[in-house]
Amino acid sequence: NAGVMQNPRHLVRRRGQEARLRCSPMKGHSHVYWYRQLPEEGLKFMVYLQKENIIDESGMPKERFSAEFPKEGPSILRIQQVVRGDSAAYFCASSPGGSTGNTIYFGEGSWLTVV
Amino acid sequence: SQKIEQNSEALNIQEGKTATLTCNYTNYSPAYLQWYRQDPGRGPVFLLLIRENEKEKRKERLKVTFDTTLKQSLFHITASQPADSATYLCALDINAGNMLTFGGGTRLMVKP
Repeated sequence: NAGVMQNPRHLVRRRGQEARLRCSPMKGHSHVYWYRQLPEEGLKFMVYLQKENIIDESGMPKERFSAEFPKEGPSILRIQQVVRGDSAAYFCASSPGGSTGNTIYFGEGSWLTVV
Repeated sequence: SQKIEQNSEALNIQEGKTATLTCNYTNYSPAYLQWYRQDPGRGPVFLLLIRENEKEKRKERLKVTFDTTLKQSLFHITASQPADSATYLCALDINAGNMLTFGGGTRLMVKP
């Protein structure tokens, strides 16, 4: 049973370009979470999605960031017009349910560097 | 606002000793608290979950306590090994639905 798969593992973008990060949850999991870890900072929740629905995006920056989890295919975190401050590790996690106490499983992260 | 604090200084201990890490929180009454391990360049790995009505939980060499009066959790690794060296994160589900709020983590270094 494969774990949470994220790609690319490493991504370099120039300022102003777009970054697309993909996440395939564990088999049987329909709940996906995106977290960001800035250098020397803790993990911060960004967005919670179920298939075709955004459940909570309270941690997502209001501009340039968007996320989706289509009926078919991986969840996508999209960052438009990237700036240097977007350089961070972006982690995806999945769980079988959204109830409090369900274990969530993290991927290995996508490390974005903006030059 | 809710705050979760872990000792930001690295904890250095000798192999075989017990490592104790602290997680303190304010302005919240969580139903449960989780501990994760994170190695450099890797994603967090779930270790233990403890509920508010549980005072203590164990898994192999790991032990977690949860004091809802003190608003504190302690994470113990007994008979520590160099392979236990990593950053350990505590997390609370502030808004329910598994949207976790993490502490800043404590780096543990176990020396042989």
